[in-house]
Amino acid sequence: GAGVSQTPSNKVTEKGKYVELRCDPISGHTALYWYRQSLGQGPEFLIYFQGTGAADDSGLPNDRFFAVRPEGSVSTLKIQRTERGDSAVYLCASSQTAGLAPYNEQFFGPGTRLTVL
Amino acid sequence: DAKTTQPTSMDCAEGRAANLPCNHSTISGNEYVYWYRQIHSQGPQYIIHGLKNNETNEMASLIITEDRKSSTLILPHATLRDTAVYYCIVLYNNNDMRFGAGTRLTVKP
Repeated sequence: GAGVSQTPSNKVTEKGKYVELRCDPISGHTALYWYRQSLGQGPEFLIYFQGTGAADDSGLPNDRFFAVRPEGSVSTLKIQRTERGDSAVYLCASSQTAGLAPYNEQFFGPGTRLTVL
Repeated sequence: DAKTTQPTSMDCAEGRAANLPCNHSTISGNEYVYWYRQIHSQGPQYIIHGLKNNETNEMASLIITEDRKSSTLILPHATLRDTAVYYCIVLYNNNDMRFGAGTRLTVKP
């Protein structure tokens, strides 16, 4: 079956602009996660959803970042007033559900590379 | 605070076993050890996980010490396609997955 998909694969924008990054999880997966990965570092947790609700948004760096998942499937990560420091690869992952570790591995998409000029 | 400590980089000859160590001295009794890897320009990929016992699957083996303070991921016959960054993660709930910097494994011909 299809894996996690993310669009666009690359996004170049100018400082101060608004961007939206989309994630399509594996069908039937109720948990969805967003990560940000800077060059040479491991992925950094941003937010995760269980269904439609954001269960943990403690990783969002500031209020310019926001994510939604209105129907419990596709999710959009929104960044307002982009800054050069927002440049990174944004990864999305999904799992059957969130909870006890051994039953719910995360499946990752290929990421969206965001470049803020 | 980092829960795991891994070497920054390692090399391995093609066809030989790659042994990647991980220290997790503060692991609690109900936390699992997970390994993911990330090949260049791709998202991380699950490899294996374990709690107490050694585990083996089609990709790798995981050896966990009896005191659970360290573990080793073993790729029995490394190929060039195994060149990647390998992440060791300890967690109880899968929504609490926090990556460190990982080990960059380079498999050389």
